[in-house]
Amino acid sequence: DQQVKQNSPSLSVQEGRISILNCDYTNSMFDYFLWYKKYPAEGPTFLISISSIKDKNEDGRFTVFLNKSAKHLSLHIVPSQPGDSAVYFCAASETFDAGNNRKLIWGLGTSLAVNP
Amino acid sequence: DAMVIQNPRYQVTQFGKPVTLSCSQTLNHNVMYWYQQKSSQAPKLLFHYYDKDFNNEADTPDNFQSRRPNTSFCFLDIRSPGLGDAAMYLCATSRDINPYNEQFFGPGTRLTVL
Repeated sequence: DQQVKQNSPSLSVQEGRISILNCDYTNSMFDYFLWYKKYPAEGPTFLISISSIKDKNEDGRFTVFLNKSAKHLSLHIVPSQPGDSAVYFCAASETFDAGNNRKLIWGLGTSLAVNP
Repeated sequence: DAMVIQNPRYQVTQFGKPVTLSCSQTLNHNVMYWYQQKSSQAPKLLFHYYDKDFNNEADTPDNFQSRRPNTSFCFLDIRSPGLGDAAMYLCATSRDINPYNEQFFGPGTRLTVL
């Protein structure tokens, strides 16, 4: 049973337009969310994160929005560039679990293609 | 540059023949992780070390073992690889176990089992 869901396996966007990648989660105990980007033949690299006490976090062209009531977050990339073409993983965690449940739970990823 | 290095990048083994994958880091991070990622699936955490403390995930098969002889190196041993163990194996590090600490990934080792 997937606790972090990325329902769109792929997305294609024109250069200069906005890319919106979506992520849904089921565990209400998750309180920290991250996006990682992965190029072929490389490991994932951290992109941006958001704590559940916020509803928005922005870093340059990348903005993550969190809707806790809907258990939904989205990553916006504006403007999209061909170099953004990669697989984007959403991940979630409980930060204050006294046990060992602070591991990241990953989605399946969304492959973004930004066309020139 | 500080980094996470995995060797080899590609590993071919035979069914049942033990194999060891290697990971090293120059970041001096306390935590080292091993993930398994199969095609079109999410990365799955196998285990992690916090310093010398080993933490195994409950659903990690006994066939998978790990060693961390020092801060810089961590090994993944697959004692008797099966066809279902063919996957990308990702090593990652972080300064601390808290998810606020970014995980840094190596490029991965793609394991083929014949």
